[in-house]
Amino acid sequence: SSELTQDPAVSVALGQTVRITCQGDSLRSYYASWYQQKPGQAPVLVIYGKNNRPSGIPVRFSGSSSGNTASLAITGAQAEDEADYYCNSRDSSGNHWVFGGGTKLTVL
Amino acid sequence: QVQLQESGPGLVKPSETLSLTCTLSGGSISNYYWTWIRQPPGKGLEWIGYVYYTGSTNYSPSLKSRVTMLIDTSKNQFSLKLSSVTAADTAVYYCARADYGSGSYYMDVWGKGTTVTVSS
Repeated sequence: SSELTQDPAVSVALGQTVRITCQGDSLRSYYASWYQQKPGQAPVLVIYGKNNRPSGIPVRFSGSSSGNTASLAITGAQAEDEADYYCNSRDSSGNHWVFGGGTKLTVL
Repeated sequence: QVQLQESGPGLVKPSETLSLTCTLSGGSISNYYWTWIRQPPGKGLEWIGYVYYTGSTNYSPSLKSRVTMLIDTSKNQFSLKLSSVTAADTAVYYCARADYGSGSYYMDVWGKGTTVTVSS
């Protein structure tokens, strides 16, 4: 099992807001980065650090962190946001990196 | 723009060594962490490790005993070797560029991935 825990599946109605969470002890000390992966494609970075979006990522994607939980929010979810989402951060030792198990987002 | 391309055999026999190379184009190999990630069929992402441009390495504890990563800055390439493979090593292998900023490491450029199957 991963040191970063994500809900396996989340759904959201089109145009509504959804929050995808990632829990782990290391998140009390380190920020997470977030990746979107669509079927048959390589992952794409959507959020890193406190709340930074790479160029080309829509503003509806945002990140936050509190205690041992990092969150990725999509405000006004679109059909094209349907994908798997993975968090990544340090492991409990702080020396290595680890991915969460991933969350499958369905847009209804 | 910066691109990464994985290359290597798509089929490896059990107990042998998996060898992959990632070639960088359109950017500098300096000052980044060159990373390998894999994804078994139908499963999630697994961080394998990275080689810094200086040659220093950091491997996943679960794979450390079998992993070697090297970098050739003159060729803009870095490589992964995974020894004593089993069927559990069957996966799509990705290479990625990683950086540090705003309080986190992040992988901002990914290769398309290459499928490696371990089978006799």
